[in-house]
Amino acid sequence: RKEVEQDPGPFNVPEGATVAFNCTYSNSASQSFFWYRQDCRKEPKLLMSVYSSGNEDGRFTAQLNRASQYISLLIRDSKLSDSATYLCASLEYGNKLVFGAGTILRVKS
Amino acid sequence: DVKVTQSSRYLVKRTGEKVFLECVQDMDHENMFWYRQDPGLGLRLIYFSYDVKMKEKGDIPEGYSVSREKKERFSLILESASTNQTSMYLCASSLNGYNEQFFGPGTRLTVL
Repeated sequence: RKEVEQDPGPFNVPEGATVAFNCTYSNSASQSFFWYRQDCRKEPKLLMSVYSSGNEDGRFTAQLNRASQYISLLIRDSKLSDSATYLCASLEYGNKLVFGAGTILRVKS
Repeated sequence: DVKVTQSSRYLVKRTGEKVFLECVQDMDHENMFWYRQDPGLGLRLIYFSYDVKMKEKGDIPEGYSVSREKKERFSLILESASTNQTSMYLCASSLNGYNEQFFGPGTRLTVL
């Protein structure tokens, strides 16, 4: 079983839709979590950190559910420019970030 | 803004060649990382370093070595390149072990 798992998608949604991704992690000792965005042929860029109390930044909301060991990313009012691959990551012991394989989002007009 | 740069965006090498990939960060970060990214497999950690001259193996270190002689520079070395090392190589840095990582633009390496 992979340490961090994501639905690869693609999620095809119309502009203005709300879309949510989940990401499960296997290491219950993981303390910190992140969502990264990666555009085609570009490097991953930090979208947001995920805190225990949840984290909201404009149209983006990240949640952590420790009991079920998953994190989620909610995108409201999707824009064409949100089309990208979204990577979740958990911080493991020894400063290692473990990444999921990514979820592809395509927002269509 | 944190800036992480990598020596090449695209590189083509032949099987058996020695390959050097260099990474430089300008924010005095303690930790530096080398990943490879392949379709369907995501980012996989090759090596990382939390201090000058220190290195730790990641999940897939076989066939690679690293060097960190200066804090800002972290090099990945393929001693004898093989075709299965064709991949996108991404360098990253973080302030310490609890912070987010910042990535360089990546080097797309093709080994023929």
